[in-house]
Amino acid sequence: KNQVEQSPQSLIILEGKNCTLQCNYTVSPFSNLRWYKQDTGRGPVSLTIMTFSENTKSNGRYTATLDADTKQSSLHITASQLSDSASYICVVSRPAVGGSQGNLIFGKGTKLSVKP
Amino acid sequence: ETGVTQSPTHLIKTRGQQVTLRCSSQSGHNTVSWYQQALGQGPQFIFQYYREEENGRGNFPPRFSGLQFPNYSSELNVNALELDDSALYLCASSRDRDITEAFFGQGTRLTVV
Repeated sequence: KNQVEQSPQSLIILEGKNCTLQCNYTVSPFSNLRWYKQDTGRGPVSLTIMTFSENTKSNGRYTATLDADTKQSSLHITASQLSDSASYICVVSRPAVGGSQGNLIFGKGTKLSVKP
Repeated sequence: ETGVTQSPTHLIKTRGQQVTLRCSSQSGHNTVSWYQQALGQGPQFIFQYYREEENGRGNFPPRFSGLQFPNYSSELNVNALELDDSALYLCASSRDRDITEAFFGQGTRLTVV
């Protein structure tokens, strides 16, 4: 079954600290993996996109890693800020194969709270 | 800024009513996908429209229907609203049914009372 599991479910850290969020997936075939930041009640905003051949990708203070062999990804946030408080969602894309449609498999997200 | 806009941003409806949500796709995109996101959950795929035709559907009842217009904007219609329909509704636009490169709108928060 195609699934994306994220951990932890929620996390509280102090401003200025680093944190790492985890994503494990069992999606096949695999097209790419995205990390999204979603503020409460708002649409997801893409942070990073990685294909099968990419191991790491950075976007400012956000660094994502991908191990396609173990089907694991992580999102590392450095020097956290209050504005980083949001849900972080891992999304794996399945390409269209034969007559079947490609689709996105979403994790349930990690809710991050950054406290002063 | 993704270039995908949804309206309205918030909406309150009564059980049994009907609702229409709208999505304008990003310039150059001809595919719109709709998702329902319940509180604390990941988005669930409702359906996708490509060049004005439905191109795939998730596990949602027929009272969830949609349209896509010649300019590739799209509507999501929900009839006979139920309390469980309360959710954030997201649309994502992409090119040529390639969902792997989709960009999301800001969502419409629907509350059914």
